[in-house]
Amino acid sequence: QQPVQSPQAVILREGEDAVINCSSSKALYSVHWYRQKHGEAPVFLMILLKGGEQKGHDKISASFNEKKQQSSLYLTASQLSYSGTYFCGTVNSGAGSYQLTFGKGTKLSVIP
Amino acid sequence: GAGVSQTPSNKVTEKGKYVELRCDPISGHTALYWYRQSLGQGPEFLIYFQGTGAADDSGLPNDRFFAVRPEGSVSTLKIQRTERGDSAVYLCASSIGTGAYGYTFGSGTRLTVV
Repeated sequence: QQPVQSPQAVILREGEDAVINCSSSKALYSVHWYRQKHGEAPVFLMILLKGGEQKGHDKISASFNEKKQQSSLYLTASQLSYSGTYFCGTVNSGAGSYQLTFGKGTKLSVIP
Repeated sequence: GAGVSQTPSNKVTEKGKYVELRCDPISGHTALYWYRQSLGQGPEFLIYFQGTGAADDSGLPNDRFFAVRPEGSVSTLKIQRTERGDSAVYLCASSIGTGAYGYTFGSGTRLTVV
């Protein structure tokens, strides 16, 4: 089951903040976040495991609400380099497989 | 190597032909994953390996698709009797293990079936 991401697209001015949400209809073992720039491979940002946690590095952080089967990615004081498409990926709990299923992505554009 | 290497980077083939796509993962990474990505979509899971064995091949669309990893390192994705609908970017990724580790993706093979 593919996770649902929102919004589909967002435009920010440099320095503004953004939140990208990811939700699943299944119980989750983990959530991954990746950023992909046009014509390039996805780049790993972070992984959150069940048990509920928050992680962050620099001005990008994420939370995982296991009970709600949701994760959010927080981008603060956005920079031009943050532009790209952000994908969440989910691994279902108890599925007997670590298959990672990606959402359709959120296109983030940061303008000067 | 330093990263995940995929060859070829581009492949144009005629409908009905057989193709092989190669993935060389990061040294020491035991898990290897194949995805395909169409324009404007997220990567679509195909198969993953833990060591030499396919741990989950439920994403392979039909029996024209097959993947191997005979020595637990390099993997080959094989597509028989290619169809125009197979056109996509095929991405390979590896991770140090399964479960709690992020993936490192290769640059992909752009397959075009004409």
